[in-house]
Amino acid sequence: EAAVTQSPRSKVAVTGGKVTLSCHQTNNHDYMYWYRQDTGHGLRLIHYSYVADSTEKGDIPDGYKASRPSQENFSLILELASLSQTAVYFCASSDGLGYAEQFFGPGTRLTVL
Amino acid sequence: GDSVTQKQGQVTLSEDDFLFINCTYSTTTYPTLFWYVQYPGQGPQLLLKVTTANNKGISRGFEATYDKGTTSFHLQKASVQESDSAVYFCALVDGTGGYKVVFGSGTRLLVSP
Repeated sequence: EAAVTQSPRSKVAVTGGKVTLSCHQTNNHDYMYWYRQDTGHGLRLIHYSYVADSTEKGDIPDGYKASRPSQENFSLILELASLSQTAVYFCASSDGLGYAEQFFGPGTRLTVL
Repeated sequence: GDSVTQKQGQVTLSEDDFLFINCTYSTTTYPTLFWYVQYPGQGPQLLLKVTTANNKGISRGFEATYDKGTTSFHLQKASVQESDSAVYFCALVDGTGGYKVVFGSGTRLLVSP
């Protein structure tokens, strides 16, 4: 049974619209991460969290917000979606800092038109 | 900041060929290094991890040793199979606080039968 799930798996949004991507983990991990994947750029960290009700900025947080209402759930929010945010988004969880293995979800393909 | 470089965007091989994927890194600390593999339609998953220079990480026939002198962490496999076709990411734990992982841009491996 998949330990990190994401919804939706794909989404088409309009420019200027609000988008919420959801992530749920059953690993009992404290750390959760949001990455975006673009061709030629690998994975880039947007936001992360190490405890419920707290989030931290990663390397590319502009235009994104994050919410961690519980240990199991971590959301990524695009308040005003833009064309440049078209990408594949991955959520991950781990039981420690970066030294620990990260377990990734299957990804959400977001297309902003 | 810390960085990882993968210059090979794509590697094309035939089954039973030898695999060598380049990775070099830049950091001011003693890094923990990873290789993650991403199969089509899935999120990345950990392939192997090395925490100490000159130690070899081995998993599923793949191996990597990180060389502090040349700052390299190349991935090798003696004989590839079609099922090894995937994208391979080299990554390291960022030295500032250790909370995040820095990923390379990835190398796509295509293995033909």
